[in-house]
Amino acid sequence: DTAVSQTPKYLVTQMGNDKSIKCEQNLGHDTMYWYKQDSKKFLKIMFSYNNKELIINETVPNRFSPKSPDKAHLNLHINSLELGDSAVYFCASSRQGTVHEQYFGPGTRLTVT
Amino acid sequence: AQSVSQHNHHVILSEAASLELGCNYSYGGTVNLFWYVQYPGQHLQLLLKYFSGDPLVKGIKGFEAEFIKSKFSFNLRKPSVQWSDTAEYFCAVTYNQGGKLIFGQGTELSVKP
Repeated sequence: DTAVSQTPKYLVTQMGNDKSIKCEQNLGHDTMYWYKQDSKKFLKIMFSYNNKELIINETVPNRFSPKSPDKAHLNLHINSLELGDSAVYFCASSRQGTVHEQYFGPGTRLTVT
Repeated sequence: AQSVSQHNHHVILSEAASLELGCNYSYGGTVNLFWYVQYPGQHLQLLLKYFSGDPLVKGIKGFEAEFIKSKFSFNLRKPSVQWSDTAEYFCAVTYNQGGKLIFGQGTELSVKP
């Protein structure tokens, strides 16, 4: 009965590669988010989608492209991976208008070598 | 800039000790305040939240937090910690009912049995 799931849980790849992280929620929420947690545990929002439309786009390199095929899914595609992209990426979801009641996924630990 | 700071990076306590974790936010208008917890190997979970009304908020597992507007603070407290409280604790804020959560850098709590 996982509410917010992410795949893969761990991802190790080389610089320059392109990779995707998938996120799915079965809570019926309208809004989904991607966060990046760096090595110092600092958690920062990257993107937010509401009903498949982008509503928040923080200052993130355009190598990062979120894609929402439907409101239950928000995938994160990263082109030309760099060492600095190594982090834990969290997906989250909430009902529309309840940004605070976010349900988080287990995270994806990305290591770029 | 809108920001949240948590003063304690790593707190180590013995069981039954009292806990207080500091959280301060920058001025930016009306705020909603939250504490999230991340147990080892698990995803982020909402511990408690403040929107309005009584500035002393009670959450799950015996935690409480006090909103002190004059100090821009929202410290987390627990009278007697348990080993199972070992986790990472994140303070977060939304400004003016905005669409994104801004997180502090987290405080790691280690409770010795």
